[in-house]
Amino acid sequence: DVKVTQSSRYLVKRTGEKVFLECVQDMDHENMFWYRQDPGLGLRLIYFSYDVKMKEKGDIPEGYSVSREKKERFSLILESASTNQTSMYLCASTLRNTGELFFGEGSRLTVL
Amino acid sequence: QKEVEQNSGPLSVPEGAIASLNCTYSDRVSQSFFWYRQYSGKSPELIMSIYSNGDKEDGRFTAQLNKASQYVSLLIRDSQPSDSATYLCAVNVEGNNNDMRFGAGTRLTVKP
Repeated sequence: DVKVTQSSRYLVKRTGEKVFLECVQDMDHENMFWYRQDPGLGLRLIYFSYDVKMKEKGDIPEGYSVSREKKERFSLILESASTNQTSMYLCASTLRNTGELFFGEGSRLTVL
Repeated sequence: QKEVEQNSGPLSVPEGAIASLNCTYSDRVSQSFFWYRQYSGKSPELIMSIYSNGDKEDGRFTAQLNKASQYVSLLIRDSQPSDSATYLCAVNVEGNNNDMRFGAGTRLTVKP
C-alpha cells in the first residue's frame, strides 16, 4: 500500500525556534514536494525535489529550506520559526512525469 | 490573476442531485489536470485526472476539459452525503519538473 509518512501530526513551537518536518515515502518515487495549506489560499508549493540532493524553489520558499539526502526522505526546515508560518504542512510524492500526488497526513504547526 | 481559480463555495446540493464543480486556469501550456478530494482534517486524495479535451467518466464522476476556454470541471452524479468534502483542482505545467498548481478548493455539502 502506498505510504507517505510525516513525522509529526501536531507541533507547537516558539518564535525563533528551529523546526524540522520530516517526510518519508516507501514508493520509490523520484519527486517529492512540500506544500503549506491555509484557509482560502489552497495549497501553495514551498519546495520540491526531483532527485536526491536536488531541489527547486516553489512559490513561497522564503523562510524555509529543504534537504534530500536519500531518495525516500525529504525534510523541511524552518531556520527561525515565525508566527506567520503557523499552518498545515503537507508532504507529497509522485513518480516522475505523472501527476498523481500521494500526500502524507499533514503536520499542523503552531508558532507562538 | 491566480493561476488556478475555483469558486470557494460552499456549494450545497440535495442528496441524489448532480454537483457541478468548476475550475479555470491561466497557463496555456498546461497539459494535465486533476481533481483531488479532501475530507475535513484529512489530506487530499486523487479522484480524477484528464489530459485531453472532452469528457472522462469514472463511476459517478465525470471530468470535463476545454483547453481552448482554459476550463475544467467535475460533475458528481447521484450525490451522496459521503461526497461532502473540499474539491481541489490541480494543473500540471509540463516540462517544469512536475510543478503542480492547486486552486483554493470548493467546499461541497450534500444534504440528506
